[in-house]
Amino acid sequence: DSGVTQTPKHLITATGQRVTLRCSPRSGDLSVYWYQQSLDQGLQFLIQYYNGEERAKGNILERFSAQQFPDLHSELNLSSLELGDSALYFCASSRDLTGELFFGEGSRLTVL
Amino acid sequence: DQQVKQNSPSLSVQEGRISILNCDYTNSMFDYFLWYKKYPAEGPTFLISISSIKDKNEDGRFTVFLNKSAKHLSLHIVPSQPGDSAVYFCAASGGDSNSGYALNFGKGTSLLVTP
Repeated sequence: DSGVTQTPKHLITATGQRVTLRCSPRSGDLSVYWYQQSLDQGLQFLIQYYNGEERAKGNILERFSAQQFPDLHSELNLSSLELGDSALYFCASSRDLTGELFFGEGSRLTVL
Repeated sequence: DQQVKQNSPSLSVQEGRISILNCDYTNSMFDYFLWYKKYPAEGPTFLISISSIKDKNEDGRFTVFLNKSAKHLSLHIVPSQPGDSAVYFCAASGGDSNSGYALNFGKGTSLLVTP
């Protein structure tokens, strides 16, 4: 158990819909990262937050947005969903800006 | 643009033998490298890391080697055990300010250790 909690574990929705994925980082971790893993792809970095502020951005689509709340949990919002958005979405956290990341078990999104 | 590449999608090794997983990177600004291990239905877990000031780091059966001039690193597992069967991801950080210190991952190599 990494200490990072992600909900929901599985989500099935239709194209055009909007979903929210939630992540609670390990206790004491200030940095939260979101990654997407599509079929046959590695872990694609989407976005990082540190202590409530956006710190770095990767290959995140404009239809996607995220935020980190004062209690340090984070949410990833995916809107106008397309079939290609079907993937595993991982949240990870770290104590500070660098170093080892601890991953949650992922949220599997299926868009039909 | 894949900055971290694992060109072998899969590897099969006999129990007791050495497993060698390879990784190449393109960004010369990367200065910290990690290996993660992932079992099905679980998130990746940290295995071992190495900073660019070293060329080798060892932890039990796991050793990571870094060749900066070749932009290449490898993970050696000796001896390999069936429980090592998993997907191994190579990751690197230290790029430009846009990516901050977020880890860049390869696509992973699926290791199968057979009895």
